Parts: sequence; C-alpha cells; structure tokens
Amino acid sequence: DSGVTQTPKHLITATGQRVTLRCSPRSGDLSVYWYQQSLDQGLQFLIHYYNGEERAKGNILERFSAQQFPDLHSELNLSSLELGDSALYFCASSARTSGKWETQYFGPGTRLLVL
Amino acid sequence: GNSVTQMEGPVTLSEEAFLTINCTYTATGYPSLFWYVQYPGEGLQLLLKATKADDKGSNKGFEATYRKETTSFHLEKGSVQVSDSAVYFCALGPSGTYKYIFGTGTRLKVLA
Repeated sequence: DSGVTQTPKHLITATGQRVTLRCSPRSGDLSVYWYQQSLDQGLQFLIHYYNGEERAKGNILERFSAQQFPDLHSELNLSSLELGDSALYFCASSARTSGKWETQYFGPGTRLLVL
Repeated sequence: GNSVTQMEGPVTLSEEAFLTINCTYTATGYPSLFWYVQYPGEGLQLLLKATKADDKGSNKGFEATYRKETTSFHLEKGSVQVSDSAVYFCALGPSGTYKYIFGTGTRLKVLA
C-alpha cells in the first residue's frame, strides 16, 4: 500500500460526458502528479501540482483540467469525453527535501471506460 | 530536453535466467534515476533508485548502476522468477524542471 488513494476505482460513462477523478496524496507529501496510461501510448505525464500551485504541464488536453485543494487532495476533471480517453489514470505523490524531488508513490489508478 | 529510452519488449525468459533491461537517458544536470515495476492490475511501485553517478540501487535481487559516462541505468537480475513477470519502467527525476520522465515500459514474462 503506497499511501496514495484514488477514487473511484472504475468509471464507465458515455461520450460527451464529464467526470471527476480524485486523489489523496501520502501524508506529508505536497506534490501530486497525474498520468494517463493507455495501451498504445504508455505512461503519459499530464500535470503536476505542488502545494496548491500548478508546476508543470505535460500532454494534457484542453478538455482536461486539474486542481489541488488546501487539504492537498487533487481532482482531475475530464470533459467532453471521447472514446480515446478510455485509459487508466494514475495519481502519484512525492515530497521535496533538500531541494531535490524524491520518489513518486503511485495510487492504484482509476480505470475509465468511455462508451 | 530530457528523455529516457528503454528497450522494447516483450522480454520472455525461463525461470532462473539472467535479466538485463537497458535504459539510457539524456539529461541536463544531475537527476535521480528510478526503476518502477507494475504488476498486472496494479499501479506502479518503486523498485530501486540512484541519486548520483556511480550509485547502485538494489532491491529484491534487482540492481542498477547510475553510469554518467554512458548515460545508462540498466536493470539486472541474476535469476528471475515467475513472480517477476511485470512491466518495468525506467524513469528520470526532475532536474531544473518539475517533470519526471518515464520510459515506455518493458514487459517481462518469465516462464516456469
């Protein structure tokens, strides 16, 4: 158990809909990262938040957005869903000590299926 | 920019065979290097890491050495087991940016 929790575990929805994925980082970790893992594209970095602020953006579509709340949990919002958005979405958290970013700890993922 | 190149899989081995999964990187600065493992139906777990040149990370019989001169971080295990069947990801920690970079993953299948 990594200490990172993600809900829901599974999500089935229809094209055009909007969903919200939730992540709670490990106790004490200020950083949250979101990744998309699909069969044909491997693990794609989406976005990184540190203590409520966006720090880096990867291959995140404009239809997707994220935020990190004062209690440090994070939500990834996916809207106008398309079939190609079906994937596993992982959240990870890490600490920053001595100016260096430490290991990422991954949650169990949310499997999204868009029909 | 920074990048990670990982050998393509799948890799199929017999139990007790020697394993090498190659990983090379391009980076500015001195990032940390990681190997993560993903077992079927699970999230990624840290397998081992190295934070500076010539460091050797090791865990569960797996080893990898941070080689700055060859910009490599190859994963090795002397004798694989069926339970090692998983997908292995090499990753580059942030260096001057806030982004971790993952390789494409190498699927390992170990046959009894």
